[in-house]
Amino acid sequence: GENVEQHPSTLSVQEGDSAVIKCTYSDSASNYFPWYKQELGKRPQLIIDIRSNVGEKKDQRIAVTLNKTAKHFSLHITETQPEDSAVYFCAASREPGGSYIPTFGRGTSLIVHP
Amino acid sequence: DVKVTQSSRYLVKRTGEKVFLECVQDMDHENMFWYRQDPGLGLRLIYFSYDVKMKEKGDIPEGYSVSREKKERFSLILESASTNQTSMYLCASSAGTGHEKLFFGSGTQLSVL
Repeated sequence: GENVEQHPSTLSVQEGDSAVIKCTYSDSASNYFPWYKQELGKRPQLIIDIRSNVGEKKDQRIAVTLNKTAKHFSLHITETQPEDSAVYFCAASREPGGSYIPTFGRGTSLIVHP
Repeated sequence: DVKVTQSSRYLVKRTGEKVFLECVQDMDHENMFWYRQDPGLGLRLIYFSYDVKMKEKGDIPEGYSVSREKKERFSLILESASTNQTSMYLCASSAGTGHEKLFFGSGTQLSVL
């Protein structure tokens, strides 16, 4: 099955700095790569996603890049703010029979210091 | 907005008890999932269902079973709870083909003593 590795497990930055979280996946058939943000005590929520036919996607201060050849994808957050502090999960999934079944990484705890 | 509701936020059970965790979604979603969340281990898939009465094993199904008798409801069953099943359990749903976004419930923190 799919295996997703996520690094780093903890990331501490100063407000205004950029943050980068990296993930690798093993299954070359995976074609959908979402990122979820989980604030303390809350449920995970989708913040951005990318499909395998796209190399980069941006949404305001966050962006995701995908390198299919190397089987890795990354989340980039610019101009970090304290409210960006959360656990971020990457995932990789494919579509067996029409249903996407994501495999998640272990998560990155991002701490943004004011 | 999609609502995924888990019946209990906190649950304390004893070793050997049969435990039912209930999840209900209100958006007619095809797919439903049960994940287990442990610190440092991320979200691990226990079971999923893509239709009523259909179920598929995830990565860690041992010690668990599921039931989906109605489209909106997906139950996770611990036949005989053990201390190593103490964890946060998250239910999620997604609409189906072409709609990959997962909507999560708020989670059930289960403690098995």
